[in-house]
Formats: sequence, C-alpha cells, structure tokens
Amino acid sequence: KNEVEQSPQNLTAQEGEFITINCSYSVGISALHWLQQHPGGGIVSLFMLSSGKKKHGRLIATINIQEKHSSLHITASHPRDSAVYICAVRGRGSTLGRLYFGRGTQLTVWP
Amino acid sequence: GAVVSQHPSRVICKSGTSVKIECRSLDFQATTMFWYRQFPKQSLMLMATSNEGSKATYEQGVEKDKFLINHASLTLSTLTVTSAHPEDSSFYICSAGGGALFAEAFFGQGTRLTVV
Repeated sequence: KNEVEQSPQNLTAQEGEFITINCSYSVGISALHWLQQHPGGGIVSLFMLSSGKKKHGRLIATINIQEKHSSLHITASHPRDSAVYICAVRGRGSTLGRLYFGRGTQLTVWP
Repeated sequence: GAVVSQHPSRVICKSGTSVKIECRSLDFQATTMFWYRQFPKQSLMLMATSNEGSKATYEQGVEKDKFLINHASLTLSTLTVTSAHPEDSSFYICSAGGGALFAEAFFGQGTRLTVV
C-alpha cells in the first residue's frame, strides 16, 4: 500500500475549467509538497505546506492535517497547465527528510 | 529559488558500460541528496540517500554495488550505474537539501538513461 494516494490518475479538462486534484496520506508528515512534472521529466515544486492554504496565481493548495488530506486546485485552466502533478509528503522523526510520492495525476487541458 | 543542476539530461550507452550522472547544487550547500528512479507512468522511487562525507544509505532492493553514489562535497553528488543492462534504462532524478533549505524540494532536471 502506498503511503500517498492521489486521485484522479488521469484528468482531462476544457480550457477555463476549474480543476481539483486530491491527495491522501497515511504517515506522519512534516510538510506536504505539490510538484509539477513536465513531459521532459523535469520537476518543479509548486507548493510546500504544513497547514492551511496557499495561493500562487491560479493555483491553490490546501491541507487538512487532521484528515491527512490535501487538494490542489487550478482555476481557469489553460493548455499550458497540462503536466503530471505529484503529491509528496516529507516524513518526520526517523524518516525526516525523506519524500513519499503519490503516483501522479496526468492533467490534459484542451483548448 | 535554489537551483539543482543534473547532467547529462539524456544518455545512451552500451550494455556492460558504466554511466555517471552528476547532481550539483548551484547556490546552496546540499548536506543531503536523494536519488530517485522513475519508470514510465510510475511514481518516483527513492534509491538512496547520500550525506556529504559519509556512505550513502540505500533503500531495500537497491544494489549498492551497481548504483554507486558519491557525495564528496557539499555541492556535488554522483550516481554511477555500473555494468549497465537494458533493464537499468529509466529516468533518474536527484533532489537536494541542506540547512535552512532542507525542508524544501529542489530537483534536478533528471537523466533519461537508455541502455542498448
């Protein structure tokens, strides 16, 4: 069983639609990351959060520590948002520093 | 944000040869570097954790004699795939952290290895 579960696995949207990707985790964490991986493979960190909500442009990330759940929202989606979005949690205690990854959500936004 | 540079981005090699992948932190001192492997449409799998000046810690199932990791300085870690075989073909990516930046996630660009 994976420590981090993401849904959906694949997501197709029309340009302008509101997108939500969900992440649930089962381990104690010190932080949660949302990552974006482009077709070439490079990975960019979008957010790091340990509580509450963060917003950057059209992207919003929320986390509920009690429920061990996070969501990534994209407002007014655009074709350039097409990528794989990965949820990763950073362990704490004996696993401090280590990242546990979800399988990723392949997002395709059509014009 | 901090920059991690990984080189090469793509490499094709013959079976039986060795390939070295470099991961450099360009503007901070990375006391810890992580090496991951990713199969198509799969999640990243941690291979090993390297701390500067000490031996790397390998995950279960990862052959340390096959995947040699060296972290000799605070800005450079290398992964050498020895006696490569076609099943070693994969996407390898590093991430780095250290000091006040430890909690952040800074990734290299990744290396696409193809063994023919």
